[in-house]
Formats: sequence, structure tokens, C-alpha cells
Amino acid sequence: DVKVTQSSRYLVKRTGEKVFLECVQDMDHENMFWYRQDPGLGLRLIYFSYDVKMKEKGDIPEGYSVSREKKERFSLILESASTNQTSMYLCASSGGQGRYGYTFGSGTRLTVV
Amino acid sequence: AQTVTQSQPEMSVQEAETVTLSCTYDTSENNYYLFWYKQPPSRQMILVIRQEAYKQQNATENRFSVNFQKAAKSFSLKISDSQLGDTAMYFCAFMKRDSGAGSYQLTFGKGTKLSVIP
Repeated sequence: DVKVTQSSRYLVKRTGEKVFLECVQDMDHENMFWYRQDPGLGLRLIYFSYDVKMKEKGDIPEGYSVSREKKERFSLILESASTNQTSMYLCASSGGQGRYGYTFGSGTRLTVV
Repeated sequence: AQTVTQSQPEMSVQEAETVTLSCTYDTSENNYYLFWYKQPPSRQMILVIRQEAYKQQNATENRFSVNFQKAAKSFSLKISDSQLGDTAMYFCAFMKRDSGAGSYQLTFGKGTKLSVIP
């Protein structure tokens, strides 16, 4: 069964900490994405990557960075966590020019205190 | 830029009944894909059904079907014989077709929370 795996289901961090959210896919997909999900706002794209070492900003990149050193792994980095980054973070991947949509991970619920 | 609108934040339906979730979108593109995703309380987002805009025939997957009206830019989801396991958030999403590397992005609506009542 194909999978997108997010390393943590729940995470609690302190304000100012550097936070790493990891995502791994086993489908050899070219495209990977990070979204945050907030009630009433839906899913908002933070960053995406369409190849190793390539990255593009999404709609809300401020306060975040990403890393894609290997095709299967896409990391989201919060350089200095703030309370307004408390959210659900969803990783997704897609191949085949996106025509079959995305496969999502289970999500990471991040709380910044 | 594309926008996707789901006008019903919450809905409920009796078990075994039929419910329709609405979705409209705004685009100047002619070739695109449309999707419905389901996110149960356990959180994993899963694909329910997809539609290719150049196909006139409405997509169907078991109890799930769509009513795709391209001219009206409408893409509603019908769930027949609703089951308790259909309780979830449902998201409508849009993707431009074949726009080159880096462009295979989904634009999501804000979701409809569906509750199936026993």
C-alpha cells in the first residue's frame, strides 16, 4: 500500500524553537507539498517541490522554509516557532502530472506554547 | 488565480438518505481536473472522486457521484444511501491540467462538515 508518512502525529514546541516536520513518500512521486489546515480557512499551501533541491513558495510561506535533499523526503522547517503557527500540517505528494490528485499523510498537530 | 467555493459549512443527513454537497469554482482555464476529498475525524485525507473537465460524462464511484456543469462552473457531490462512516469534512479541489513542472497544485475550498445521523 502506497504511503505518505509524517514523522509525528502530535508535537508540542516552545516559542522560539526551531521545528522540523518530516514527510516521506514511497511512490517515487516528483511533486511534494506542505499545507496547513485551520478551522474556517481550509487548506493553505505553504511550499511545494517538483524535484530534488527545487522548491517554490505557496500562498503563505512566511515563517517557514523547506528542504528536499532526496526525492522521497520533504521537510518543513519553522525557524523560530511562534504561537500563530499552531496548526494542523498536512504533507502530500503527487505524480503523473497531478491528474490523479494527491496522496496525503496523516497530518501533524503542532502546538506552540 | 483559481478560487473554489463551498457554500455549505455544515450539513447533516439521516442514515440511508441522499445528500448533495455544493461546489463552485472560478477559472479562465479550459482544461482542468476537479476532485472531492474526504477527511474523517481520524484526519487522513482521502480521494473520493475525480473528474476531468474535457469529459462530459459525470464521474461515479459506488455511492458517490458528481454533477459536473462546466458552463456553470459547478461540481456537486451526491452521496447516496448515506452511512455513518461518511461522517467527515469534504473538500472540493481544482487543478489546472498540464501546466508544466511546478504547476500541479490543488486549490481547495474551505470544506463542508457532513454529519450522518443514525
